[in-house]
Amino acid sequence: GAVVSQHPSWVICKSGTSVKIECRSLDFQATTMFWYRQFPKQSLMLMATSNEGSKATYEQGVEKDKFLINHASLTLSTLTVTSAHPEDSSFYICSSTGARGETQYFGPGTRLLVL
Amino acid sequence: QKEVEQNSGPLSVPEGAIASLNCTYSDRGSQSFFWYRQYSGKSPELIMFIYSNGDKEDGRFTAQLNKASQYVSLLIRDSQPSDSATYLCAVTPPSNTGKLIFGQGTTLQVKP
Repeated sequence: GAVVSQHPSWVICKSGTSVKIECRSLDFQATTMFWYRQFPKQSLMLMATSNEGSKATYEQGVEKDKFLINHASLTLSTLTVTSAHPEDSSFYICSSTGARGETQYFGPGTRLLVL
Repeated sequence: QKEVEQNSGPLSVPEGAIASLNCTYSDRGSQSFFWYRQYSGKSPELIMFIYSNGDKEDGRFTAQLNKASQYVSLLIRDSQPSDSATYLCAVTPPSNTGKLIFGQGTTLQVKP
């Protein structure tokens, strides 16, 4: 399957700061990437669809001004959590579809803790 | 009604037994069906996908799809303790936007 990496794997920050998470597709060009959030013992919640060269499509209830997504190249999408608060602490996971265009492969995830 | 439903479990089976994980979906026009495994603290990894009615086998895993009943299942033969994880069922909606709709996952415990 496709290889997707994320960086950093974990981050601890103070309340009010911004955190950037990178998602890279390592062996293919990804026109579409997806960003998920997962709270403990809950399933994945899709936050937004990141489209290369255009604006991201956010799911209902997700604040686009708080969760900034940039997909500037075919191999890199970034999620910036702006003015992070403790309630933003979660496991953030990106995914991408491979050459087949349907199956999603997930990055290893980024665990965010906001103090 | 949730779009994709799974019993959260835990489902407990003895080592060597067959584990049967079930998933139902509400949108009859759903196109593709995926099973992911997620170990605690890790991200999901793809086990297999199925598009057509019937069975699809890959090693110890068999996915079964019944579109008429809107039901997809995953069988794990010769279950091993290393199979203990949460299994997520995911479905692509008819809109074909590339999104996946996930169930809440079933926790499987394989006891030695």
